[in-house]
Amino acid sequence: AQSVTQLDSQVPVFEEAPVELRCNYSSSVSVYLFWYVQYPNQGLQLLLKYLSGSTLVESINGFEAEFNKSQTSFHLRKPSVHISDTAEYFCAVSRSPGTASKLTFGTGTRLQVTL
Amino acid sequence: NAGVTQTPKFQVLKTGQSMTLQCAQDMNHEYMSWYRQDPGMGLRLIHYSVGAGITDQGEVPNGYNVSRSTTEDFPLRLLSAAPSQTSVYFCASSEGGGNYGYTFGSGTRLTVV
Repeated sequence: AQSVTQLDSQVPVFEEAPVELRCNYSSSVSVYLFWYVQYPNQGLQLLLKYLSGSTLVESINGFEAEFNKSQTSFHLRKPSVHISDTAEYFCAVSRSPGTASKLTFGTGTRLQVTL
Repeated sequence: NAGVTQTPKFQVLKTGQSMTLQCAQDMNHEYMSWYRQDPGMGLRLIHYSVGAGITDQGEVPNGYNVSRSTTEDFPLRLLSAAPSQTSVYFCASSEGGGNYGYTFGSGTRLTVV
């Protein structure tokens, strides 16, 4: 079985500052890794994913995450955040290859961006 | 708009009542799942389905039933509601395989009193 640990439940940051949201996973087999974002009163949206190949993956709105197999991490970063990035962010893992159905989520990190 | 539709958005139940949360998708996705979201616990998998007629239990299946008679629909039934089932429920679908992300519905906020 796999598990995900998000070390920070809340991360406050000022607008235009850089941010890193930490995610560590545990699995005895190869995994796929995902970051989802949840804006207030909405469902989750896929932000980015790592399947294979380049360990650095990027989203369309400036976020990036790097898969580090030796440290079993998949931290999410953005060099300059905006007020609109305020949301809850979930790291998730699934077996590779395998069904997408068994997606295991972390407990989430609430990113609060202020002026 | 294509996507995952959940109804109702809000529901209040009395302890012991039963109800069905509806979920429908129009993307012809084979994989569908139900999750519950509780503060500080992230999302936990209740039941999932890899195709019509096939369902299986997730991490927290007790007190819930599902069926998948069509590709489009995946209803979640609460047999006898309990206060511990107060939560936000999300339905999600995926095209299939571990390399596809999930499309989530907007959720159903359920309160059991």
